[in-house]
Amino acid sequence: GNSVTQMEGPVTLSEEAFLTINCTYTATGYPSLFWYVQYPGEGLQLLLKATKADDKGSNKGFEATYRKETTSFHLEKGSVQVSDSAVYFCALNQAGTALIFGKGTTLSVSS
Amino acid sequence: DGGITQSPKYLFRKEGQNVTLSCEQNLNHDAMYWYRQDPGQGLRLIYYSQIVNDFQKGDIAEGYSVSREKKESFPLTVTSAQKNPTAFYLCASQVGGNSNQPQHFGDGTRLSIL
Repeated sequence: GNSVTQMEGPVTLSEEAFLTINCTYTATGYPSLFWYVQYPGEGLQLLLKATKADDKGSNKGFEATYRKETTSFHLEKGSVQVSDSAVYFCALNQAGTALIFGKGTTLSVSS
Repeated sequence: DGGITQSPKYLFRKEGQNVTLSCEQNLNHDAMYWYRQDPGQGLRLIYYSQIVNDFQKGDIAEGYSVSREKKESFPLTVTSAQKNPTAFYLCASQVGGNSNQPQHFGDGTRLSIL
């Protein structure tokens, strides 16, 4: 069946450091891929998405590229801020099925 | 502004009691979902509905019930049969259950046992 695996946290960085959170998936066909962010006590917000191979999703300085050959969708940011501290979820969706989420990666950024 | 409203934000349940969590959306989305979030376990699907008057069980439906009488509303009842209900509950909607579009989430309800 379909599944998403993301790196376990927590990830602890200093402000302005480079961020990578790894995400790989297993799916048949061509799923859409998403990154969601959850701030403490809140619901999930869509951060970025990609719907086909080689698409690059980007938002608020975050980027992720849909790599079908490596079944990956790694999240990157060149310079993190304290306000980026949150839990990040990788997810996939195929038409007719519910979203499948990874277990989440907690990012903590200190000044 | 369009969005999803969950209420209440915090809810307490006594032993043997059923409680109902509200989820309302004004996005005109066809599909709605309920997830349970526990620390370190990500999100697990409880129930989902792709159209009014129809819903399907997710991965952890036991001890829960839902209804979908209106397009904009998808309440979740946590019954007394759910022996470990303490969790953060998230409702989501999607433009169509058969699309690959993103889901939109409410701000969640935190349920605790008294």
